Amino acid sequence: KNQVEQSPQSLIILEGKNCTLQCNYTVSPFSNLRWYKQDTGRGPVSLTIMTFSENTKSNGRYTATLDADTKQSSLHITASQLSDSASYICVVRGQAGTALIFGKGTTLSVSS
Amino acid sequence: EAQVTQNPRYLITVTGKKLTVTCSQNMNHEYMSWYRQDPGLGLRQIYYSMNVEVTDKGDVPEGYKVSRKEKRNFPLILESPSPNQTSLYFCASSLSWREDPDTQYFGPGTRLTVL
Repeated sequence: KNQVEQSPQSLIILEGKNCTLQCNYTVSPFSNLRWYKQDTGRGPVSLTIMTFSENTKSNGRYTATLDADTKQSSLHITASQLSDSASYICVVRGQAGTALIFGKGTTLSVSS
Repeated sequence: EAQVTQNPRYLITVTGKKLTVTCSQNMNHEYMSWYRQDPGLGLRQIYYSMNVEVTDKGDVPEGYKVSRKEKRNFPLILESPSPNQTSLYFCASSLSWREDPDTQYFGPGTRLTVL
């Protein structure tokens, strides 16, 4: 069964610290993997999209990595800010044009 | 401004009273989709539409209807709402289901409570 598992479920860090969120998937064949940021009560917003041939992609302080062989991805947040407090959702697309498969998200809380 | 809009943003209703949640996008996107989000379950797809007059079921279509009569609008209809449909609903759109990878844009969400 195609699944996307994220860890940890929640995370609390101090402002200014770095953190890494994990995403493991069993989707096959694989087309692309996305990371979304969802602020409380708002719709998800795309951070990065990576195809199987891409290993790393950055968007400001967010850096996503992908290992298509081990079916693992990570999202690294550098020098966290209070505004990074949100849910981060990993989403995988199997074959091109098929439905997206969503992870349940990691809730990140950044405290001062 | 390119956006996906949903109305209403909040709705409290009673069991069995038909309701419609509207979704509109101004980006000329072909692909539109409805999701519900529940605590501990993440986002689950209800219905999607690849173009005008083309709709299909997602993972959790029971109790919902959709229509796509024009490209910009994709309303979600609950003919006889029940309490288990209390949820946070998101509409999303992307340029085309053929484009891969494509960026999916989400609306602001509609919080529905069915009493």
